[in-house]
Amino acid sequence: GAVVSQHPSWVICKSGTSVKIECRSLDFQATTMFWYRQFPKQSLMLMATSNEGSKATYEQGVEKDKFLINHASLTLSTLTVTSAHPEDSSFYICSVYPGLGTDTQYFGPGTRLTVL
Amino acid sequence: TQLLEQSPQFLSIQEGENLTVYCNSSSVFSSLQWYRQEPGEGPVLLVTVVTGGEVKKLKRLTFQFGDARKDSSLHITAAQPGDTGLYLCAGAGGGGNKLTFGTGTQLKVEL
Repeated sequence: GAVVSQHPSWVICKSGTSVKIECRSLDFQATTMFWYRQFPKQSLMLMATSNEGSKATYEQGVEKDKFLINHASLTLSTLTVTSAHPEDSSFYICSVYPGLGTDTQYFGPGTRLTVL
Repeated sequence: TQLLEQSPQFLSIQEGENLTVYCNSSSVFSSLQWYRQEPGEGPVLLVTVVTGGEVKKLKRLTFQFGDARKDSSLHITAAQPGDTGLYLCAGAGGGGNKLTFGTGTQLKVEL
């Protein structure tokens, strides 16, 4: 399977600041990555599809101006949480889609965001 | 909208017991994945099933995809504490290569 890294693994920030989270595909080029968020003891909720070289596709109810996604290269997608508020505190996870004949996605280790 | 319901939601058992987790939907999926997630980590892929009726085994774990490709089950034999975690099923086929995640089953195996 694919190897995915995220940075940072955890971050604490003050309300009103912006935070950038990186997702890297380490062993293959990914034209498609996904961003999820997960609240404690809940399942994953898809936020957006990140497409290399084009605009991200956001799920219904996800504010695109608040959660900025950039997929400038085949190995890196970034999620920027702008003007973060305490309700944005969550576990953010990215995945890559190799598209090698299956629908399987491979996930990064996640980033814990805490907004004070 | 595709929905995947998992049952049970929580399961606490003793080491050595067997258990089954169910993943049900009214929608048809082109494939279904099972993941296990530990606290503070990302989900780790256990298996992908593609064909209706397919059965796959991974050591003490047995996965089955329903004949109609609407449901799946995960059976664990002789559970061990290392099996503790959040088990997630995820179905594909909703378009855009996206996955629909199940509601999750939190498993705790005690000594």
